[in-house]
Amino acid sequence: DAGVIQSPRHEVTEMGQEVTLRCKPISGHDYLFWYRQTMMRGLELLIYFNNNVPIDDSGMPEDRFSAKMPNASFSTLKIQPSEPRDSAVYFCASSRTEYNSPLHFGNGTRLTVT
Amino acid sequence: EDQVTQSPEALRLQEGESSSLNCSYTVSGLRGLFWYRQDPGKGPEFLFTLYSAGEEKEKERLKATLTKKESFLHITAPKPEDSATYLCAVQAVGSQGNLIFGKGTKLSVKP
Repeated sequence: DAGVIQSPRHEVTEMGQEVTLRCKPISGHDYLFWYRQTMMRGLELLIYFNNNVPIDDSGMPEDRFSAKMPNASFSTLKIQPSEPRDSAVYFCASSRTEYNSPLHFGNGTRLTVT
Repeated sequence: EDQVTQSPEALRLQEGESSSLNCSYTVSGLRGLFWYRQDPGKGPEFLFTLYSAGEEKEKERLKATLTKKESFLHITAPKPEDSATYLCAVQAVGSQGNLIFGKGTKLSVKP
């Protein structure tokens, strides 16, 4: 079991640039979550998918953020245009069931927007 | 509003010095309470799920307990390798999968 795989591990970009974060969930998991972690706010849910369909995107902060899941083994989180306040660690997580299965997290992408 | 508060924010222990971390929660209805461990530069790693008041789970030097208002993570005779940030999260009834996380307790165990 390779676990949840995220890329890149680190991303440094300038304000106004487009950023794309990538995630490969654990095979057989049918839920995928995108979280953001900052010192001030801790871990916050941005959006989650069930069977590749977005279920709840109420945590997406602005229209600058978008997420897709074109198939069961790949998801992207895009920020366009990026701003310095988007700097954070972005985590992807997957799980088998919605309520009783723990989330398994990737090691995150540390995004720095200058 | 569903909310999770962890205390203390940071805890320093000597090796072998037992202690407890607290997680207080407010939810309209609790479906599950989760404990995770997070090492620097890594994602949270699942430890336990608790579902009802009175339930206890153990793993090596860690034991998690649950009441109607809070959960405790007891650490018995900790070792330096137990140093990490411990996160508590709740899943509320009707939340459709969302885990609400506390900000964590950063534990440092000195040899």
